[in-house]
Amino acid sequence: GPKVLQIPSHQIIDMGQMVTLNCDPVSNHLYFYWYKQILGQQMEFLVNFYNGKVMEKSKLFKDQFSVERPDGSYFTLKIQPTALEDSAVYFCASSRGQDTQYFGPGTRLLVL
Amino acid sequence: QQKVQQSPESLSVPEGGMASLNCTSSDRNFQYFWWYRQHSGEGPKALMSIFSDGDKKEGRFTAHLNKASLHVSLHIRDSQPSDSALYFCAASEQDMGYKLTFGTGTSLLVDP
Repeated sequence: GPKVLQIPSHQIIDMGQMVTLNCDPVSNHLYFYWYKQILGQQMEFLVNFYNGKVMEKSKLFKDQFSVERPDGSYFTLKIQPTALEDSAVYFCASSRGQDTQYFGPGTRLLVL
Repeated sequence: QQKVQQSPESLSVPEGGMASLNCTSSDRNFQYFWWYRQHSGEGPKALMSIFSDGDKKEGRFTAHLNKASLHVSLHIRDSQPSDSALYFCAASEQDMGYKLTFGTGTSLLVDP
């Protein structure tokens, strides 16, 4: 099936540093998403992105978070500065529209 | 209160048996439902979508939707050890954002 790639698979950083999570969505998809999962539990929506703009963000999407997809390259989630509570697995997803979202394998972020 | 609740929290069935998972929403704005499966260390993978009342069958998997009661179920026939995973129900509203609200998850173990 369609594949979403995420880089890196794991990231360990010190609190206060900046981190950028990269996502390579399915090639003909137009909608991009970030979700957060803690300890293999519930998946929670962070933000969605279409046509170069954020469409909706949840209360988990703090001011320290930002997303972009410059010129069709990676769809990125940047956290600056990071906090201890940002430790989680971050999943990128993409879709053509109101249809099935395809998820990447996740980036496991540990903030020390 | 979680908008999408799943039951049971965990389930164990013998190989070849039937697994039945339930999902109930508290938000009547949800119009579209998916079942996702997540194996340990991986991203969620869509099993099937269901948008209309009634049953939808795909191979060993049958989903049932009752919009009046906001109830969705998934039945897995002839369960295999490879079906052991975390199962999520996910719902979205009819809006332009298409964000998914995930349920609390059901951990399924199929005993060989």
